[in-house]
Amino acid sequence: DTAVSQTPKYLVTQMGNDKSIKCEQNLGHDTMYWYKQDSKKFLKIMFSYNNKELIINETVPNRFSPKSPDKAHLNLHINSLELGDSAVYFCASSQEQEYEPQHFGDGTRLSIL
Amino acid sequence: RKEVEQDPGPFNVPEGATVAFNCTYSNSASQSFFWYRQDCRKEPKLLMSVYSSGNEDGRFTAQLNRASQYISLLIRDSKLSDSATYLCVVKAGGYQKVTFGTGTKLQVIP
Repeated sequence: DTAVSQTPKYLVTQMGNDKSIKCEQNLGHDTMYWYKQDSKKFLKIMFSYNNKELIINETVPNRFSPKSPDKAHLNLHINSLELGDSAVYFCASSQEQEYEPQHFGDGTRLSIL
Repeated sequence: RKEVEQDPGPFNVPEGATVAFNCTYSNSASQSFFWYRQDCRKEPKLLMSVYSSGNEDGRFTAQLNRASQYISLLIRDSKLSDSATYLCVVKAGGYQKVTFGTGTKLQVIP
């Protein structure tokens, strides 16, 4: 009965490869997010989708392409992986009413060799 | 000026101590505020929302000062299990843009 689940939990791959991370939430939330947390531990928003529509697209290389097939899923595809992409990627979801917090998945640890 | 600023710490406190963290935000249009806790190599977890009138949950008290644009978290009677990084979160703007602070690390010492 996990609320926000992401797969895989660990991803080790070589530079130049293409990989995807999947996220699903069963909370009935309207909005889903992708965050990147780098080695300095700063949690930075990458994308936000509301009812399958892209709402927030921070300054992220276009090698990163999110896709939301329905409001319960938000996947992240990364092309031509680079060393600097090594980080923990967190998916989150929330309702958009005031005072509604975000709920996080347990993260995908991406390591680029 | 960063959108959301926190003292990174670490705050090293003995068990039983009271410790307080502040967080300042720059966007006066910010509407809702939260404290999250993040343990090492884990996901952030909601600790508490912060309401205008202030709110308390057991040993934890959160306050909001809109005039000075800061929120605070007070932890009383610190436990070893309180050791973590505490993240301040601010929501503002259309579709509630969410900004995380860089976190304050707390280490409770026996």
